[in-house]
Amino acid sequence: EDQVTQSPEALRLQEGESSSLNCSYTVSGLRGLFWYRQDPGKGPEFLFTLYSAGEEKEKERLKATLTKKESFLHITAPKPEDSATYLCAVSNTGTASKLTFGTGTRLQVTL
Amino acid sequence: DVKVTQSSRYLVKRTGEKVFLECVQDMDHENMFWYRQDPGLGLRLIYFSYDVKMKEKGDIPEGYSVSREKKERFSLILESASTNQTSMYLCASSSVAGALDTQYFGPGTRLTVL
Repeated sequence: EDQVTQSPEALRLQEGESSSLNCSYTVSGLRGLFWYRQDPGKGPEFLFTLYSAGEEKEKERLKATLTKKESFLHITAPKPEDSATYLCAVSNTGTASKLTFGTGTRLQVTL
Repeated sequence: DVKVTQSSRYLVKRTGEKVFLECVQDMDHENMFWYRQDPGLGLRLIYFSYDVKMKEKGDIPEGYSVSREKKERFSLILESASTNQTSMYLCASSSVAGALDTQYFGPGTRLTVL
């Protein structure tokens, strides 16, 4: 059974204070790893897909990296508008198209 | 841009009522999914569909059914709503080509069953 564990559960940063969110996964055959951002009361918004170890993707202040066991979402010089819950998910080569989600990291960025 | 819409943002129903939640996507995606999201439990898959008139059970199908009569539309049905079905319901779609497995979500329906 695929498993995704995200840490920390919650993170509070000051504006400009860089940090990383962790997503550890156990999957028999990784097909893809996905990062989403979710604002309160809204649906998840797609950020990145990573397909192989060593791959990196960037978008504004966010950078996602992937190893064979985990993924990191690095947030550089965050702003208050980066406050949200960040979700990680994986898809398996044996159960294509279905995603297994972690429970998320709730990020708060203060002035 | 991919657009997934859901019929209601907020819904309040009584125990025992039959409830329909509708989802429409405009990107000609083959796959569609229904999840529920509860605090501390994350997103849990209820049902999904790979094609018109095809459906498969997810992790928590009990108490739910689905219908996919057209490619762009996927409906979730609560046959007899119960209080433990109070939750945020999220619909998503994905393509078998292009951005493989990437799911795009609708805005969600917050359902309260009294």
